[in-house]
Amino acid sequence: DAKTTQPPSMDCAEGRAANLPCNHSTISGNEYVYWYRQIHSQGPQYIIHGLKNNETNEMASLIITEDRKSSTLILPHATLRDTAVYYCIVTTSGTYKYIFGTGTRLKVLA
Amino acid sequence: DVKVTQSSRYLVKRTGEKVFLECVQDMDHENMFWYRQDPGLGLRLIYFSYDVKMKEKGDIPEGYSVSREKKERFSLILESASTNQTSMYLCASSPPPGTGGLIGFGPGTRLTVT
Repeated sequence: DAKTTQPPSMDCAEGRAANLPCNHSTISGNEYVYWYRQIHSQGPQYIIHGLKNNETNEMASLIITEDRKSSTLILPHATLRDTAVYYCIVTTSGTYKYIFGTGTRLKVLA
Repeated sequence: DVKVTQSSRYLVKRTGEKVFLECVQDMDHENMFWYRQDPGLGLRLIYFSYDVKMKEKGDIPEGYSVSREKKERFSLILESASTNQTSMYLCASSPPPGTGGLIGFGPGTRLTVT
């Protein structure tokens, strides 16, 4: 099964860029990488997703390596409200199962 | 936006009770999922369904069953609740993988079994 690996925790100074890595070395060729975050045990909130190319939206940027085995979520100017657990999600090859890692707990420091 | 609703935000049940957790999505998604979330363990897949009346076990199906009689509704059933099923339960829905569609999550149900 596809699996994601993320560092358990990271700190980032307010106003600086937060770079959150994810390893997904078993991702299959046509599967997307999704990033969600979860604040205070609410339901996960969508951030961004991508297939092969780098993506940017109003919240974040997503950098996917050429071999697609890893990706990095970039929050360009982190704020205190970005403190959350960030999940990188992929599907298992040939199935409908979306697999979560244990996520990265990002703490933005004032 | 994908909208996924869950029947309760908080639920307290006694050991041995039968518990139903209901989930409804409004995006006509084929796939629906039930996860449980526990501190330090992240989100773990209990069951998922890729079509009406179709279901497959996830990673931790023991003690749970599911029902999907209509496309928009996916129910999680605890036949005889136990204290080790105290957890946060999250429902999700999605279009088929590989389509680039978004996964929608419900707000979660925090179940306490006493």
